[in-house]
Amino acid sequence: QKEVEQNSGPLSVPEGAIASLNCTYSDRGSQSFFWYRQYSGKSPELIMSIYSNGDKEDGRFTAQLNKASQYVSLLIRDSQPSDSATYLCAVLVPNTGTASKLTFGTGTRLQVTL
Amino acid sequence: GAVVSQHPSRVICKSGTSVKIECRSLDFQATTMFWYRQFPKQSLMLMATSNEGSKATYEQGVEKDKFLINHASLTLSTLTVTSAHPEDSSFYICSARGRAYEQYFGPGTRLTVT
Repeated sequence: QKEVEQNSGPLSVPEGAIASLNCTYSDRGSQSFFWYRQYSGKSPELIMSIYSNGDKEDGRFTAQLNKASQYVSLLIRDSQPSDSATYLCAVLVPNTGTASKLTFGTGTRLQVTL
Repeated sequence: GAVVSQHPSRVICKSGTSVKIECRSLDFQATTMFWYRQFPKQSLMLMATSNEGSKATYEQGVEKDKFLINHASLTLSTLTVTSAHPEDSSFYICSARGRAYEQYFGPGTRLTVT
């Protein structure tokens, strides 16, 4: 079982709709969760971080965390063509020996159609 | 937001030469920096973790004598690809950890070895 799993997509949504991106993780010790957006040929950009159960909203983005179900999601409201990118879910597992590292999912490619 | 710069953005070098890539956190101090490599249409691959003032920790399969990492200060880490070969051609991305374990990526360096 992969440590962080995402559906690779592509997820296609019409402009103006809500895009829902999902991620599951295997390590129950995970404490911090992040969503990155990566455009083709560019580096990842941090768009959301979430640390406790529930919802966290920032503009058109809402991150949702359910630690009991080991599930993280990202909702993008009023999707725009400029949101078309690959969205990476990343999970931080504390490590007492060495610096904690992010574990990334393989990403979900989102296509927002006109 | 936190800004990480990376230089150069693109480099073309001949086989057998060495290339140095610089990564700087511009508006925050980063005790931990990370170096990733990404091949086209593939996931990010963590190469090494570097902490200021100490030796880098390399991931399994990454040659530490080939990929030299120096983290000389809280805002600067360098990656030197020694004796580069065409198979080292890739997109190299650094990342710096800020507060609350948020990790910010530089814009990346596209290395082409001819």
